[in-house]
Amino acid sequence: QVQLVESGGGVVQPGRSLRLSCTASGFPFGSDAVHWVRQAPGKGLEWVAVISHDGRNEYYADSVRGRFTISIDNSKNILYLQMNSLRAEDTAVYYCTREHTSPKFDSWGQGTLVTVSS
Amino acid sequence: QTVVTQEPSLTVSPGGTVTLTCASSTGAVTSGYYPNWFQQKPGQGPRALIYSTSNKHSWTPARFSGYLLGGKAALTLSAVQPEDEAHYYCLLYCGGTQPWVFGGGTKVTVL
Repeated sequence: QVQLVESGGGVVQPGRSLRLSCTASGFPFGSDAVHWVRQAPGKGLEWVAVISHDGRNEYYADSVRGRFTISIDNSKNILYLQMNSLRAEDTAVYYCTREHTSPKFDSWGQGTLVTVSS
Repeated sequence: QTVVTQEPSLTVSPGGTVTLTCASSTGAVTSGYYPNWFQQKPGQGPRALIYSTSNKHSWTPARFSGYLLGGKAALTLSAVQPEDEAHYYCLLYCGGTQPWVFGGGTKVTVL
């Protein structure tokens, strides 16, 4: 059974950094691209970033490019999102999801809440 | 940056049919955009419904169907049930430096 569990959320001041983790189980982690998606309070879903299955290719939303970095540790089955220079508008629930064949996004974590506030 | 547009809200009666659409600012949506559809209920994470335009996940009820319609991706809910009341989001592959883009979502009310 595929399972994704996010962690690392919390309250952080503007301009500071935070690293989110997504621990995967139930599938070969190095076989699929994995994404971060976020949802600000009361708002819709926003695609954030993706990293290829081998970690060689990364793409980002314009809103986070240059501030966020996605990475994977295939030996530990963990996806990361390093978030620097955080802004109030980065406040959201962050989800990880895998892009399985076709492509389809069949598995999602429960999300972790990041609140950027002074 | 591509903008993906959905109807903000739609209302349907129980047992009725409703169609949601998903448009791209760059032109017609084709199968190469790999449209995905998700359902989200209050307090829950997204739940995948449709992938690659029209393919259902094993858990997707038969009353949900995805297709292309007039240059847009579309999701039709037939024989709507009260539990179908939710937000629905489409996701398109748009390529470029920001390859994936969500639509703004459609709130479906069953009334």
